[in-house]
Amino acid sequence: RKEVEQDPGPFNVPEGATVAFNCTYSNSASQSFFWYRQDCRKEPKLLMSVYSSGNEDGRFTAQLNRASQYISLLIRDSKLSDSATYLCVVNGRGGADGLTFGKGTHLIIQP
Amino acid sequence: NAGVTQTPKFQVLKTGQSMTLQCAQDMNHEYMSWYRQDPGMGLRLIHYSVGAGITDQGEVPNGYNVSRSTTEDFPLRLLSAAPSQTSVYFCASSPSLRNTQYFGPGTRLTVL
Repeated sequence: RKEVEQDPGPFNVPEGATVAFNCTYSNSASQSFFWYRQDCRKEPKLLMSVYSSGNEDGRFTAQLNRASQYISLLIRDSKLSDSATYLCVVNGRGGADGLTFGKGTHLIIQP
Repeated sequence: NAGVTQTPKFQVLKTGQSMTLQCAQDMNHEYMSWYRQDPGMGLRLIHYSVGAGITDQGEVPNGYNVSRSTTEDFPLRLLSAAPSQTSVYFCASSPSLRNTQYFGPGTRLTVL
C-alpha cells in the first residue's frame, strides 16, 4: 500500500455543486494531516489542517477517520476559483523525514 | 516578511554542468527541505535540515548536495547535472518537522 494515496481525477464539477474526495494513508502512527492546494505551475499552499474531531473553514470541511486511515475534503458551493490540484499530506515514517505528500487530486469547476 | 524565496526561477543547464539553487527564509524556521515535483510523481523529498549545521537525506538524494550554515539559507547543489534532473524544485520551511510547510515559488530546471 502506498504511503499516501489519492484519486488523481480529474473531477469535473459544475459551479455551485458539492464535491468530496478522500485520501488514504498507510502509517497508522501518523499524527499530522493537512490538505494543500496547488494551482497550475505554482507552489503548494496550505488549505487547512485536519483535526481528529473534523473541522470546517468556510465552504471547506475536512474529516479524519483513524480507524479506516483516511482523510476527506468536502467543498460546498464550489466556485470557479476552486479549480486546482488538492494534495493530501500526512506526517511520514516516524517523523524523521517530516511530511509525505500525495500526488494530488485535480479538480475542475465548470461554469 | 518575504517568506520563502528561491532563485533562479528558471534555469537551463547542459549535461555535466553544476549549479546551486538558492533558498532563503525570513521566518526563523528551524526545518527546511527541498522537493522535486515531476508529472505523475508528486512531490518527492530530496534533502532536509532540522537546524543550522544539520542535514539529512530524503527519498531521492542522489546527485544533490545541501548544507545549512545559517538558519536562513539552505542551498541545493547539483554536482553534475543529468537530464533526469529536469524538474520543478521547491524549497520549503516549517517551524517543526510535522508542522505546516511554507513553500517557495519554485525553480524550473531543464537539463539538456
